[in-house]
Amino acid sequence: AQRVTQPEKLLSVFKGAPVELKCNYSYSGSPELFWYVQYSRQRLQLLLRHISRESIKGFTADLNKGETSFHLKKPFAQEEDSAMYYCALRGYSSASKIIFGSGTRLSIRP
Amino acid sequence: EPEVTQTPSHQVTQMGQEVILRCVPISNHLYFYWYRQILGQKVEFLVSFYNNEISEKSEIFDDQFSVERPDGSNFTLKIRSTKLEDSAMYFCASDDSLSGNTIYFGEGSWLTVV
Repeated sequence: AQRVTQPEKLLSVFKGAPVELKCNYSYSGSPELFWYVQYSRQRLQLLLRHISRESIKGFTADLNKGETSFHLKKPFAQEEDSAMYYCALRGYSSASKIIFGSGTRLSIRP
Repeated sequence: EPEVTQTPSHQVTQMGQEVILRCVPISNHLYFYWYRQILGQKVEFLVSFYNNEISEKSEIFDDQFSVERPDGSNFTLKIRSTKLEDSAMYFCASDDSLSGNTIYFGEGSWLTVV
């Protein structure tokens, strides 16, 4: 079964503290993994993808195939990081749909 | 940067009425999608569309829903006889689906059925 699990609905941390948003997946094969961010009342925006290995806005995510995880991390949280974060996966075939996790609301306290 | 655009941004409709949500995908993209997000819930796949045909649809996408590309630029989602539970944010998305490419999402159309 294709599934993305984000166990935390809400994560609240202080500004400057490290952040880790957890994501586990289930997929037969090797999917593409993504993190999308949704700021209040705005569109879903791609934050990063595992194949690019980029660091965007200080966030990184490492794909662990053994643990089927793709946790999102940032060493020092900033207030503007407050948003909904969705982990997602996609197969490599044409017109392959994205499957989203249920999302984690990250709240950064001043 | 090119964007997927959607209209209307918000629509209120009475139960039982038909609604058409419109999307203009990014111009060189070939694959189009509709997703739905009920308030407080996750983003759910509805349908994918390529070459004027539905490629895949979810169990949510029943006979009440239809999609079409009427004029080569717009991509529409029609909901016939709306129900209260159709109230949600509907996102259109597009990409060219080459390996490693990104699906781009529109800002969404918020549908409220009363």
